[in-house]
Amino acid sequence: NAGVTQTPKFQVLKTGQSMTLQCAQDMNHEYMSWYRQDPGMGLRLIHYSVGAGITDQGEVPNGYNVSRSTTEDFPLRLLSAAPSQTSVYFCASAPRRGGASNEKLFFGSGTQLSVL
Amino acid sequence: AQSVTQLDSQVPVFEEAPVELRCNYSSSVSVYLFWYVQYPNQGLQLLLKYLSGSTLVESINGFEAEFNKSQTSFHLRKPSVHISDTAEYFCAVSLGGHGGSQGNLIFGKGTKLSVKP
Repeated sequence: NAGVTQTPKFQVLKTGQSMTLQCAQDMNHEYMSWYRQDPGMGLRLIHYSVGAGITDQGEVPNGYNVSRSTTEDFPLRLLSAAPSQTSVYFCASAPRRGGASNEKLFFGSGTQLSVL
Repeated sequence: AQSVTQLDSQVPVFEEAPVELRCNYSSSVSVYLFWYVQYPNQGLQLLLKYLSGSTLVESINGFEAEFNKSQTSFHLRKPSVHISDTAEYFCAVSLGGHGGSQGNLIFGKGTKLSVKP
């Protein structure tokens, strides 16, 4: 199994451009989430989903959209990139809707995004 | 609201020395506690977790953490570290429920452990 796959690994955008970070998992996990990691800030939750067709906001959702049309995929969209969105983005999944409540999260290897 | 505080942003230590990485949390309800590790240029991996039962939990690579409810702490310890333990360590909490936001993890800001020869 590939686990959680994120693409691209690196991306450079200009302010105002839009793009989609891809996340796919092949483990039939119900729970998926997006975090951003910034130096000295730890990981902060952007959006999460407890199943296909169900999404909700996390701690820092502004400037990002998500959708969950299939169990496998959970793309993160930046509508109009800003320098404040320069960060490393991680996608994570867990087998059941309860997420990390009593089991581990499986993390992708991350996408490093720079917005100039 | 829940929060996690990791008291040290960086911990330098010599190989074979003991180490303690400190984590305190705040919550008005019961929580589940986790330690994740991030090696350079990788995603996070679960190191160990406390859900219930024995307050001392261990990982397969020699780390252990003790849940202390009265002090709201979940410090990570290892009696003798190796160069390969060099990584960033994150303490995290979740509410332990089975719906909605209860399954989300709240992370601390991380502690960078640097093991020197």
